[in-house]
Amino acid sequence: QKEVEQNSGPLSVPEGAIASLNCTYSDRGSQSFFWYRQYSGKSPELIMSIYSNGDKEDGRFTAQLNKASQYVSLLIRDSQPSDSATYLCAVNVRGAQKLVFGQGTRLTINP
Amino acid sequence: GAVVSQHPSRVICKSGTSVKIECRSLDFQATTMFWYRQFPKQSLMLMATSNEGSKATYEQGVEKDKFLINHASLTLSTLTVTSAHPEDSSFYICSARDLAGSGYEQYFGPGTRLTVT
Repeated sequence: QKEVEQNSGPLSVPEGAIASLNCTYSDRGSQSFFWYRQYSGKSPELIMSIYSNGDKEDGRFTAQLNKASQYVSLLIRDSQPSDSATYLCAVNVRGAQKLVFGQGTRLTINP
Repeated sequence: GAVVSQHPSRVICKSGTSVKIECRSLDFQATTMFWYRQFPKQSLMLMATSNEGSKATYEQGVEKDKFLINHASLTLSTLTVTSAHPEDSSFYICSARDLAGSGYEQYFGPGTRLTVT
C-alpha cells in the first residue's frame, strides 16, 4: 500500500461547479497534511494546510480531514479555468522531517 | 512571505561536466531544505534532506557522490550534479521549511530545468 494515495485523474469539472479531490494515507500517526497546486512546467505551490479533524476554509478552498478514516480532501468552489492544474496531497511522515507526496490528481476545469 | 529562489532557472551543459544549483530562502530562515527531481508527467521524487551545518540525508537509490548537497547557512543550500549525463536531465526543485513555522509545510523554489547534451 502506498503511503499517500490519490486518484491520478484526469478529473474534469465544469466551470462554476465544485471540484472534489481526495487523498488517503497509511500512517495513522501522521499529524500534518497539505495540499499543493502544480501548474504544468512549474513547481508546487502550497495552497492549504490542515492539522485537526474537520474543515478548514480559505477563500474558495476547503480542506477536510478525517483522521479516523485516514482521509484528506480538498474542495474547490466556483471552479475557474485557472484552477486547472495537478493537485498534490502531502503528509508529514511521523518521526521524520520530510513530506510524502501522492502522485497528484490532474484537474481540468471546462469553460 | 515564505519565498524561495533558485538559480539558475535553466541550464544546458555538456555530458561529463558539473552543474551547481543554488536554493535560497529569501525572507525566512530554513532549518531544513529538500531537493526533489521531477521527470515529465511524473510525480516529485525526493532526493535528499539537508540541515544547516550537517551532512545531507539521501533517499534510497540516490547517489550521494553524484549529487553533492551543501547547506552552509540557514538561507542557502546548493546541489551539485557531478559528471552529468543525459539521463540526469530533469526538473530539479528545492524546498525549505521555515525555522519559525509551526508545522512541516515546505515552500518550493521555482525549479531548475537541467538539460545535459
